[in-house]
Amino acid sequence: EVQLLESGGGLVQPGGSLRLSCAASGFTFSTYTMSWVRQAAGEGLEWVSTISAGGAGTYYADSVKGRFTISRDNSKNTLYLQINSLRAEDTAVYYCAKGEEMTTVITPFDYWGQGTLLTVSS
Amino acid sequence: QSALTQPRSVSGSPGQSVTISCTGTSSDVGGYNYVSWYQQHPGKAPKLMIYDVSKRPSGVPDRFSGSKSGNTASLTISGLQAEDEADYYCCSYAGSNNIYVFGTGTKVTVL
Repeated sequence: EVQLLESGGGLVQPGGSLRLSCAASGFTFSTYTMSWVRQAAGEGLEWVSTISAGGAGTYYADSVKGRFTISRDNSKNTLYLQINSLRAEDTAVYYCAKGEEMTTVITPFDYWGQGTLLTVSS
Repeated sequence: QSALTQPRSVSGSPGQSVTISCTGTSSDVGGYNYVSWYQQHPGKAPKLMIYDVSKRPSGVPDRFSGSKSGNTASLTISGLQAEDEADYYCCSYAGSNNIYVFGTGTKVTVL
């Protein structure tokens, strides 16, 4: 059974930094594209970032480019999102999502975690 | 990259059909056959319902179908059931820079 468990959310002051983690199990993590998607309270889904299976390819939404860094440790079956220079508008539930395809980053998100809440406030 | 445009809400009685539109541009929906649809119940994670415009993952009822014409994709729910009441989001590949864009979301109400 595929499981994705996010952690690392919490209350952070504006300008601060945080690292989110997503522990994966139930599939061969190293062979699948992974992504982060966020959702502010009462709002829609927003794609944040995607990383290829091997980690060489990384992609970011314009709204986070230069502040967020996606990475993965395939030996630990874990996906990360390093978030710097936090802003109030980064407040959201952050979901990690598994790509359905193995060989391309062009893939739907077939499994999602339950999300971790990040609140940016002073 | 602007969000894809969806109606805020649609509704139907049990057994009826509803269709949700998802309008983008030639740089996203119209340019690629990589549109997916997600169902989200309150407080829950999204669930993949349709991918590559019209393909259904294993386990998704065949009441759910997808299509595309030009810059607009559509999700149709036939034989509406109470458990279909949820928010639905489309998503499209948008090219090699900002590679994905989601729709604004549609709340489906079963009357």
